Amino acid sequence: AQSVTQPDIHITVSEGASLELRCNYSYGATPYLFWYVQSPGQGLQLLLKYFSGDTLVQGIKGFEAEFKRSQSSFNLRKPSVHWSDAAEYFCAVGGIYSNTGKLIFGQGTTLQVKP
Amino acid sequence: DSGVTQTPKHLITATGQRVTLRCSPRSGDLSVYWYQQSLDQGLQFLIQYYNGEERAKGNILERFSAQQFPDLHSELNLSSLELGDSALYFCASSAGNIQYFGAGTRLSVL
Repeated sequence: AQSVTQPDIHITVSEGASLELRCNYSYGATPYLFWYVQSPGQGLQLLLKYFSGDTLVQGIKGFEAEFKRSQSSFNLRKPSVHWSDAAEYFCAVGGIYSNTGKLIFGQGTTLQVKP
Repeated sequence: DSGVTQTPKHLITATGQRVTLRCSPRSGDLSVYWYQQSLDQGLQFLIQYYNGEERAKGNILERFSAQQFPDLHSELNLSSLELGDSALYFCASSAGNIQYFGAGTRLSVL
């Protein structure tokens, strides 16, 4: 079955510290992978995506993610967290060979940033 | 601003009632997706329309229905509402493989 797992429900980091949010997926074919961020009262904003090619992808707001096929992972990283990064982060997977672009989301990771 | 517009932002109604949520996709996007976000189920895909035709169905209840009109806007109809239908409902649109999300409609069923 297709699924996405974000093992960490809640993470707290200090401002200026590095961040890594974990994402593991289960998918029968080569997936499209996404990270979205949801700020309180806001919709989902796309941070970055992986379709093919270079396994290290850069996104907006200084985020990057690395696709590791052998580990079925797509972890999100940021070298130095800012207070404005506090939000909920969702990893999602979609199929490249299906005729629908529906996304399967993980349960989300809430990031709290300490001053 | 994603370019996807959802109305209303908030909706408060009673059990047993029927509501309609509206979504205007980004200009030129033919695909519209509906998702439900709730505390216990997370973000779940409900249904997709492509250029007026239903393309895929997910975990959508029979009490729920959707359609996409010739001008490409979409409506999600929820009927015989139950307390458990209280959630944030998102619409997304896409022209390719990237979905752009609206700000959502928060439905509260009392």
